[in-house]
Amino acid sequence: QVHLQESGPGLVKPSETLSLTCSVVDASFGVYQWCWVRQTPGRGLEWIGYMYPSGTTNSNPSLKSRVTLSIDGVKKQFSLRLASVTAADTAIYFCARRSFANYFDYWGQGARVTVSS
Amino acid sequence: QTVVTQEPSLSVSPGGTVTLTCGLTSGSITATHYPSWYQQFPGQAPRTLIYSTNTRFDGVPDRFSGSIVGNKAALTITGARAEDECDYYCVMYVGDGISVFGGGTRLTVL
Repeated sequence: QVHLQESGPGLVKPSETLSLTCSVVDASFGVYQWCWVRQTPGRGLEWIGYMYPSGTTNSNPSLKSRVTLSIDGVKKQFSLRLASVTAADTAIYFCARRSFANYFDYWGQGARVTVSS
Repeated sequence: QTVVTQEPSLSVSPGGTVTLTCGLTSGSITATHYPSWYQQFPGQAPRTLIYSTNTRFDGVPDRFSGSIVGNKAALTITGARAEDECDYYCVMYVGDGISVFGGGTRLTVL
């Protein structure tokens, strides 16, 4: 059984840092890559970044300067921090598991985050 | 930066066949991009349909099939149903752990 659940504040002020955590139920947490994907209102999906439990990570070049990813293999959680947010960062943020063939096989339900003062 | 292109919208008649495509603004899509396809209904998380170009995910009906046609990845729906009306996204793996989503295709069944 695999289950992902996002959590974090639903409202963030402009210029502040967005923080989300994904809690995972997965007996094989240590062997997969864990990703963040977002969907802005009325627009498509955008890959944000990934982290492997060993610490290997990378992120979307367009967001790289603002993204920090972290992971806790004991708690089976991984986290996203997005700095200096603007209204353009208002989105639904999904966490997802990326499988060995580089596709997303399990998704969280999504967390809606609004950037507004 | 890699840009993945999809038709913004397509329509198909019930029972008909439709092919959605996914291309690159620069270069050809190959199996090494591990093309995958996802279905998304309003207010829901994406659902995995196809991975590694043409492998159906668990429980996906066989009316959905994937392929590479020319320089693009393709998702074909054969015998479209009203319940297939939603948004479809492709994803390409471009190396260094980076995935890129296409802009999505809104499919209308009418």
